[in-house]
Formats: sequence, C-alpha cells, structure tokens
Amino acid sequence: GENVEQHPSTLSVQEGDSAVIKCTYSDSASNYFPWYKQELGKRPQLIIDIRSNVGEKKDQRIAVTLNKTAKHFSLHITETQPEDSAVYFCAASKPQLRNTPLVFGKGTRLSVIA
Amino acid sequence: GAGVSQSPSNKVTEKGKDVELRCDPISGHTALYWYRQSLGQGLEFLIYFQGNSAPDKSGLPSDRFSAERTGGSVSTLTIQRTQQEDSAVYLCASSPPGRSYEQYFGPGTRLTVT
Repeated sequence: GENVEQHPSTLSVQEGDSAVIKCTYSDSASNYFPWYKQELGKRPQLIIDIRSNVGEKKDQRIAVTLNKTAKHFSLHITETQPEDSAVYFCAASKPQLRNTPLVFGKGTRLSVIA
Repeated sequence: GAGVSQSPSNKVTEKGKDVELRCDPISGHTALYWYRQSLGQGLEFLIYFQGNSAPDKSGLPSDRFSAERTGGSVSTLTIQRTQQEDSAVYLCASSPPGRSYEQYFGPGTRLTVT
C-alpha cells in the first residue's frame, strides 16, 4: 500500500523567511496530494492540493510542487507570519479508485518566530 | 452550512470500559472516514464508509474496535475493553459524492483511558 514520508518533523523559521516541507510517496498510482494545516487543538483544514497533471500550484503565499518521476511533493510558504505556526500534514490518494482514504505523512510542526 | 460534528468532545474512561464515539457528517456527504491521532503523531486511518457499508476496515488496530453507520449519515466508533494505548484524539471526516479527495474534518473526540 501507499507510504508517505514527511520531512522535517519540526521546523523553525524567522518571521518573513520561507518554509519548505517535503513529502515522498511510494505508490505511483497516487495522483492527488493535499496539504492540511492543524492549529493547536483544532481540526485539520485543507489549505492547498495538487493533482498529478500539474507540476505546481500557487495560492497567495502558499505553493505546492510535484515531481511525479521522483515521487515527491513539497509545500512552500513564503513571507511566513506567526499565524502560520501549526502542524502541517501532507497526504496522497488515488481518487480514481473510489473513496480510497488519504494516506498522511506524520506531520511537520512549523514554528514562526516573531 | 454546518460542518462535521463529533461527540463527546472529551471522554475520560477507566481501563476495561467500553466507549462509543459519534460522528455527524456534513449533510449529503456519502463517504465518512475515521482517523486516530495520538499525541504529537500523524493521522492514522482506521475505517471508512461509503454509504452504510465499510469496504475498508484494514486500519482497525484490533478486534476491540468496530464502527457502524446507519441511514447513510451518523457513524459510531466503538472501542471495547479500552486500554491506555487507546488514548488519542479520534477524528472523523466526510466527503461529498464523487469527491472523496475533499475530506472535511470534525473537531475530534479526545479519549483518555485511565
């Protein structure tokens, strides 16, 4: 089955700097890759996703890149702000196979230092 | 509209007791997922439902865990003879028809087994 590895497990950056979180996946059939943000004590919330037919997607300060050949994808946050501090989870799935669950990485705890 | 809701929000139980956790998905969502999140860990898939059936029970950690969904809506996760290692946050998510990749999470139930 699918295995998703996520690095680093913790990341501290100065406010205004960029943060990059990387994930690798094992199943070449996976073609949907969402990123979730979980603030302390709150539920995970989808912040951005990418499908395998594109290599990059951007939404304001957040971007995700995908390298299908290497089976890895990354989350990039630019101009970080204290409110970006949270745990970020990557995931992979094969939605073409009906209702297969998301397989999550173990998460990255991002701390943005003011 | 109303999001995914879960009850109770917190549950403290003694080792050996049974517990029931409830999830109310977003109205009209056909797929429902249960995950477990241990302290500081990632999201561990437990089980999912498509309508009332559970095609994938592979994530249930032991036969003490069971889940059901009736009427294509509310789901209950039951843990029998709870153990201390069952202590975790149990998260439920639901997806709209045809878009299983969009998972909307509930706030979770924090289970503590003493």
